[in-house]
Parts: sequence; C-alpha cells; structure tokens
Amino acid sequence: ETGVTQSPTHLIKTRGQQVTLRCSSQSGHNTVSWYQQALGQGPQFIFQYYREEENGRGNFPPRFSGLQFPNYSSELNVNALELDDSALYLCASSPGSRSTDTQYFGPGTRLTVL
Amino acid sequence: QQQVKQSPQSLIVQKGGISIINCAYENTAFDYFPWYQQFPGKGPALLIAIRPDVSEKKEGRFTISFNKSAKQFSLHIMDSQPGDSATYFCAATDRDDKIIFGKGTRLHILP
Repeated sequence: ETGVTQSPTHLIKTRGQQVTLRCSSQSGHNTVSWYQQALGQGPQFIFQYYREEENGRGNFPPRFSGLQFPNYSSELNVNALELDDSALYLCASSPGSRSTDTQYFGPGTRLTVL
Repeated sequence: QQQVKQSPQSLIVQKGGISIINCAYENTAFDYFPWYQQFPGKGPALLIAIRPDVSEKKEGRFTISFNKSAKQFSLHIMDSQPGDSATYFCAATDRDDKIIFGKGTRLHILP
C-alpha cells in the first residue's frame, strides 16, 4: 500500500452539478498531484500543489480547481460537470516537487456523470 | 496531441517469456522516462525509470532500453510471470516537471 487514500471510491453525479474529491497524502509529503484517467487511457495531469500553492497546471479548464491543506489532505473540485468528466481521478503524493521524486498514487475515485 | 506513443495496446505472453513494450516521443526536452505498473482497482506504481544519458537500466527482471537518437525507449520483462499481468504505462517529464503518460499496454501472462 502507498499510504495515499482517496474518498469516495465511487461517485455518480448529473451534468451541471459540482463535485469535491478528497485525498490524504503520506505524512511529510509536501506535493500532491491530481490526474484524470479516462477509460483505456493513461493518466492526464490536472495540476500540482506544493506547500498549499498551485505549482503547475495541465490543459484543464478553470472549473477544475484544488486545495491543499497543512494536514497533508487535499481536494479536487469540479464545477459544472460535463459527461466527458466521467473518469478515474487519481491523486499522487511525493516528498518534493520534482518529477524525479517518486509519486505515490492513491487507488482513485471513479466519477460517473450522467 | 499525443506526446508519448505506446505500443502495443495489448500483449499476451507465455509464462517464462519476454514481454516487450515500446514507446516513442517527440519532445527532445523530455529528460526523465519512468514506467508505471497498474493493477485493476489500484493507482499506478513506479516500476523503473531512466534518464536520457543512459542507454540501459536493469532492475531485477525489468530492463529499460533507451535510444536517444531514435527518441524511443522500451520495457523488457524477462521470465514473465502471471503476477506481472497488469497495465503498463510509459511516461516522460517535460521542462515544467509534468508527467505525460502513454495510453498504456494491457499485458496478460498465460500460466
């Protein structure tokens, strides 16, 4: 086990709603990254937070936002859900902010948008 | 735009055989190439990684071969075992330290 947990495991929402996904990182890991993994695809980088500040963002619209808290927990918020947002959402924690720092992934939250 | 192209999409190998997964990239600014293994219901886990100044890296039964001039790299799994059955992703990191994943290869090892 990686020590990274995510909640909830599964979630069903309807188009236009808002959703909050949660992640608990390993203690001492100052960096958390969020990824979207569509069915049959590789994970796509959404954004990264380092010491509670956004530290990089992928090609995702502003309705995807995040927060990182001092207790090594973090959130991914998605507003105005669209059908294409249906995917597995992964968070990954690492001790530092470089890509060469090993990222430890959680099991993901499966989001279905109807 | 797919920056890391991975093949094959799926692969079936006999137990004890060699599994080979290939990846190609376009961006010469990529400077770190990890491979991830993902089991059903789990997140990806780092398997092995290489920098472009090295042509080969071996860890146990897993070997990365890297061809900088061809902008290609591959994962070789020697003596493949049923427990190796999983989805494998190659990846590359860009100047901004973002990890860009390939689409994945679903590997099945026949017992």
